[in-house]
Order: sequence, then C-alpha cells, then structure tokens
Amino acid sequence: ELVLTQSPVTLSASPGDSATLSCRASQSLYSNLAWYQQRPGQAPRLLIYAASNRATGIPHRFTGSGSGTEFTLTISGLQSEDSAVYYCQRYNDWPPLLTFGGGTKVEIK
Amino acid sequence: QLRESGPGLVKPSETLSLTCLVSGGSISDTKSYWAWIRQSPEKGLEWIGSVYFNGTTYYSASLKSRLTMSVDTSKKQFSLRLTSVTAADTALYYCARGPFYSDRSGFHYLKWFDSWGPGTLVTVAS
Repeated sequence: ELVLTQSPVTLSASPGDSATLSCRASQSLYSNLAWYQQRPGQAPRLLIYAASNRATGIPHRFTGSGSGTEFTLTISGLQSEDSAVYYCQRYNDWPPLLTFGGGTKVEIK
Repeated sequence: QLRESGPGLVKPSETLSLTCLVSGGSISDTKSYWAWIRQSPEKGLEWIGSVYFNGTTYYSASLKSRLTMSVDTSKKQFSLRLTSVTAADTALYYCARGPFYSDRSGFHYLKWFDSWGPGTLVTVAS
C-alpha cells in the first residue's frame, strides 16, 4: 500500500521566514501530487496540483516542487494567515485510490 | 459552491445519509467528479468515494461494502448513504468537486479536489 509521509509534524516559524514542508511517497507518484491548506475551522483549500502548479488565486509565495517519491511545499515570506495544517494528496491511480498524508501543522510565532 | 446537509447524530448500526447541494455551477459538468471526504482525529482526511453525473461511481475499498453514492441532476445534488455505522464513522464529512482524466479506453483517473463544502459533523452514538 502506498503511504504518504509528511514531515515535520509541526513547524514553528516567524513572520517573514520561509517554511519547507516535505511529503514522501513509498512508491513513485511521478508528478501526481496535490497540496492543501486547512485553516482552523475551515475546509481544506487546494494550493498546488500536479506537484508544482498553483491553483487559482493562490499567492506566488506558495511553491510546490518535486517528483517521484519526494515532494516539497515551500512557503516564502510567512504571514499570520498561513497558520494552518498542510496536507499532500496522491491521485491518478487505477482503480481510483485517493489518499492524503498525515499533515504538517505550521505555527506562526 | 457546495453545501452538505444531513443528520448530525446517527445511532450505531443505522444508516448515515448526507446530501450535497451544488450551486453556482452545473452538477452535469462533464469535466467534474463529485466526492465525499471525511476527517477524523484517528484517520485524518479519508476519501470515501466519487460519483459522476451519469451515476458512475468509485468507492474506497475499505467502505465499498457499506456505501452507496448517487446523483440527482434535477435537484442539483449528490448523496451518500453509509450503512451499519459504528463509532469509527464519526467524522466531519465534506463534499467536494474534482477533475479527472479519461484515457483512450474510457477509464477515469480521478485527480485533486478544487472546491469543498464547509463540512458537516456526524456523530455515531446511541
């Protein structure tokens, strides 16, 4: 079974810093990975699809990279509103099997 | 926009039924699949299943035996029905929309979720 492992579990950073979040797959996903942001009390919001494509309306300070088994979400110039849990999600299997990572909580000091 | 509705409390062994109303767009959109996703502290985010406007469904293997999803295009809504619920089905349930890719053989490869409802909490308890 393909597993998505996100690290770190929690990340604490100051406003203006950069944050690097990792998502590791146990098998190659090629570029079939998405990233979501979930703020407290809200539904997840799509940030990145196909590993590196920003979704509509997503600020350029969110950057996705990677392929195969190693993926990264970089948030530049952290703002207080970036305080959230970030999830990665794999897709494009047959038959469909859509799974999420365990999440990384980003705290802004 | 998507919005979930349904009972917030279901008794063990009974059936959980939820509906998602689609507004601001067409549920008959040929480029979209409609999905149910749930979230609990124990399991995190879990894809339940997806349905196409023509009734084609794909279900999570772990829930397939208890799950039915359907679409009512006239009411602009799609639904979830989960039978024989237990406390493990207690979760925040989201409906969502997502694109897909269709290959030459007609297989549908589901992708990401680009629109979500606010979610509805379902508790299974007597």
